[in-house]
Amino acid sequence: GAVVSQHPSWVICKSGTSVKIECRSLDFQATTMFWYRQFPKQSLMLMATSNEGSKATYEQGVEKDKFLINHASLTLSTLTVTSAHPEDSSFYICSAPRGGDFHNSPLHFGNGTRLTVT
Amino acid sequence: QKEVEQNSGPLSVPEGAIASLNCTYSDRGSQSFFWYRQYSGKSPELIMSIYSNGDKEDGRFTAQLNKASQYVSLLIRDSQPSDSATYLCAVLSGGSYIPTFGRGTSLIVHP
Repeated sequence: GAVVSQHPSWVICKSGTSVKIECRSLDFQATTMFWYRQFPKQSLMLMATSNEGSKATYEQGVEKDKFLINHASLTLSTLTVTSAHPEDSSFYICSAPRGGDFHNSPLHFGNGTRLTVT
Repeated sequence: QKEVEQNSGPLSVPEGAIASLNCTYSDRGSQSFFWYRQYSGKSPELIMSIYSNGDKEDGRFTAQLNKASQYVSLLIRDSQPSDSATYLCAVLSGGSYIPTFGRGTSLIVHP
């Protein structure tokens, strides 16, 4: 069964509004989670690394003030897309390594959130 | 710059055939290797992990790792139309916990 839960699965919002996406590890603690974005027919793009109890690490070119990440507990990370615009429409996917040794553990992905900004 | 290369495809095979998907990586210090399947519009799903040279079998899937040649492959036996998807190769380098993903190979299994 799923080990990472992501909600909502899809969301439609108006331009200028904010959208929050939740990612939960279901039966393990995830001190680290990763947020990806994927445009149609393109590869996964890592946006940021979410660290429990500390600031997220953003990849080059990703605006931290636009994509707010909060990792408030060992099982929950949230991504908030602030002041969304149509160009933010994409498939957002969270993931977490499950296992005691992060250097050998595969990532398990949530089901993703399809965001459409009108 | 760590790189993971995959042929984008599409790779088209008839139902029942063996599909062979290949991946090469640039970092010789890589230690962990993963194959994911991603259906259109869905998120990636872990198929297999492999850490040692040689073959690892799981049902119809066999992962093959050759660290000396820096490649990892995935064989799918008795391919089914339901195997049609994009297959992503991911590599973890020693000391890192962020995998590097290839761009994926699109597999089409036709009846």
